[in-house]
Amino acid sequence: NAGVTQTPKFQVLKTGQSMTLQCAQDMNHEYMSWYRQDPGMGLRLIHYSVGAGITDQGEVPNGYNVSRSTTEDFPLRLLSAAPSQTSVYFCASRQAGGQETQYFGPGTRLLVL
Amino acid sequence: GEDVEQSLFLSVREGDSSVINCTYTDSSSTYLYWYKQEPGAGLQLLTYIFSNMDMKQDQRLTVLLNKKDKHLSLRIADTQTGDSAIYFCAERVTGGGNKLTFGTGTQLKVEL
Repeated sequence: NAGVTQTPKFQVLKTGQSMTLQCAQDMNHEYMSWYRQDPGMGLRLIHYSVGAGITDQGEVPNGYNVSRSTTEDFPLRLLSAAPSQTSVYFCASRQAGGQETQYFGPGTRLLVL
Repeated sequence: GEDVEQSLFLSVREGDSSVINCTYTDSSSTYLYWYKQEPGAGLQLLTYIFSNMDMKQDQRLTVLLNKKDKHLSLRIADTQTGDSAIYFCAERVTGGGNKLTFGTGTQLKVEL
C-alpha cells in the first residue's frame, strides 16, 4: 500500500489564483480529512468526509471546497488564493468502525504571494 | 467546543525521562491521542487512550489520564536523540465523526 499520498509537495501561487491539492489513499478508508498547520497553532480541520458523496465543514472551511466522488480521492480546492492561506496542508484517512489509527500524508507546502 | 492546550517546548538529556503534558476541555466520551511529527514529515500516531481508562503503557511510552483535571500526559522513558520531534496531543469526541482537535504541539529537544 502507498498509504496516503499528496500532490504537489510544494506550490507557489499568486493572490487570486486557484488550484487543487490532491489527496489519495489506497487503504479503502471511509474517513478522510484535510488539515492546515500553521506555526504555533497546531493542526486545524478544514473539511472532512465520512464516505463517498458526503462532506462536512471543519473548524476553518472558508476559502476551501472539497468533494468526495470516490472512496480513494479527496481533493481540496482553493478558488481564489489569499496570503492567509499560506500554510502546510495535511490530508488524513482512517478506517471506520473502531480503528483509531489516522494515517497522514506527507503534506503540501503552499505559499501564496 | 473542544480546546486542547500544551506547553510549547521541553528539553531533556539523553537517557532521562520526558513528560509532555496536555489539558483538554471536553467532558464527553472522548479519545485522546499522541502524535509525533519529525521535521518535514506528516504526523505519526504514537498511542491513544479512551476516556474510561486511567493509564496505558506501550514499551517506552506511558500515557496517564486524569479525568477530573482533564489532564493527559505522555512519558517517554530513556529518551533518545531520535525522540526529538514535535509531539501533538489531540482529542476526538465520540459521535463527532472524524473531527480531531489538536493542541499547539510540544517541541521536544533531546540533548547529549
